[in-house]
Amino acid sequence: SQQGEEDPQALSIQEGENATMNCSYKTSINNLQWYRQNSGRGLVHLILIRSNEREKHSGRLRVTLDTSKKSSSLLITASRAADTASYFCASSPGGYQKVTFGIGTKLQVIP
Amino acid sequence: GAVVSQHPSWVICKSGTSVKIECRSLDFQATTMFWYRQFPKQSLMLMATSNEGSKATYEQGVEKDKFLINHASLTLSTLTVTSAHPEDSSFYICSARSQGFVDIQYFGAGTRLSVL
Repeated sequence: SQQGEEDPQALSIQEGENATMNCSYKTSINNLQWYRQNSGRGLVHLILIRSNEREKHSGRLRVTLDTSKKSSSLLITASRAADTASYFCASSPGGYQKVTFGIGTKLQVIP
Repeated sequence: GAVVSQHPSWVICKSGTSVKIECRSLDFQATTMFWYRQFPKQSLMLMATSNEGSKATYEQGVEKDKFLINHASLTLSTLTVTSAHPEDSSFYICSARSQGFVDIQYFGAGTRLSVL
């Protein structure tokens, strides 16, 4: 079963707006990652946040992690049409253990 | 860097035939490769974990004899769908983890398999 659950499952916004996606997980983690998948393609790694970090930035991306609530959020600022994709969180106990993907949020950015 | 090539990107085959999908890490050595299956509008389902030189570890419910995995080198893993049937039609994605940074997986572009 999937450990992570993204919320919302689908999101449609206008270009220039911010998009926020949330992810919850169930067990202890070493790190949490966010990936993007364009339709019919593989996944692209966006950002990794470790369990001892609370916030991380990368360009227009901002990720937060709240280990007490077992949740994370991905914020995409000033969205662009090219950001249209599905976004998955992936939680990991760390090391060589397997990563568990959430169900994903499908983001549509309308030009 | 960290490019994973997956081939073919799309394959159509007749029921009963076998299909081989290749996953190559082009610019790094992958001690571990993963094979996922993804149904439309769903998340990735891990099928198996493949370590170079050893037998793959399959997830519960995945038939070993149906989905043959070979990880012959640090840059190549193959998934063979044997005696394919229409219910095997799906999107298959591989990923690779490098020796240097085990936390991140690098994904291939995926293979869409359609079994007629």
